[in-house]
Amino acid sequence: DAKTTQPPSMDCAEGRAANLPCNHSTISGNEYVYWYRQIHSQGPQYIIHGLKNNETNEMASLIITEDRKSSTLILPHATLRDTAVYYCIVRVPGNQGGKLIFGQGTELSVKP
Amino acid sequence: GAVVSQHPSWVICKSGTSVKIECRSLDFQATTMFWYRQFPKQSLMLMATSNEGSKATYEQGVEKDKFLINHASLTLSTLTVTSAHPEDSSFYICSAREIRGRGTEAFFGQGTRLTVV
Repeated sequence: DAKTTQPPSMDCAEGRAANLPCNHSTISGNEYVYWYRQIHSQGPQYIIHGLKNNETNEMASLIITEDRKSSTLILPHATLRDTAVYYCIVRVPGNQGGKLIFGQGTELSVKP
Repeated sequence: GAVVSQHPSWVICKSGTSVKIECRSLDFQATTMFWYRQFPKQSLMLMATSNEGSKATYEQGVEKDKFLINHASLTLSTLTVTSAHPEDSSFYICSAREIRGRGTEAFFGQGTRLTVV
């Protein structure tokens, strides 16, 4: 599975959009981009995933560049409860039995 | 999404004793479950892959005789930390893969905080 690069930390004002970047320049054609987040002392929570089209759900939007070498997770109206570590993972669904390998992620702090 | 439950949420044990952590998929069947360990300020580290009805597959550097994994049914996997020592104190997290799942196939438990004194 391809490796990802994320900034170690970011701040965002409450109510504003949080844009979290992820670089995955070595992504292959059949690898999806997944986003999970981990709120302090809890298990990771699935947010969203995509292959090449932009995706949106009730939690967030995922924007994937045309060359698929990077993506951005957008939390449209960040709240204090969105403070967490956000992990971007690229992998083939079901590859290696479905296991996820976590990088260091981005620690997002939403401030009042 | 699907629900994965871990028990206990936290446990304190004496050095030298064994501790068992349970991971259950509550509303789906999971042929494969994963166990992770997380130290403070660090990311999750995959320990092993637990397959129903067969032996677990351990990641490099993880002692299989110390971290016993049993996946007796499609909804339950257990991790037993044997002869625990203070350095085993950590946050242990399981995840489960839904049999027919694609994409959103990994669901995580809430984690178990183990403290060995």
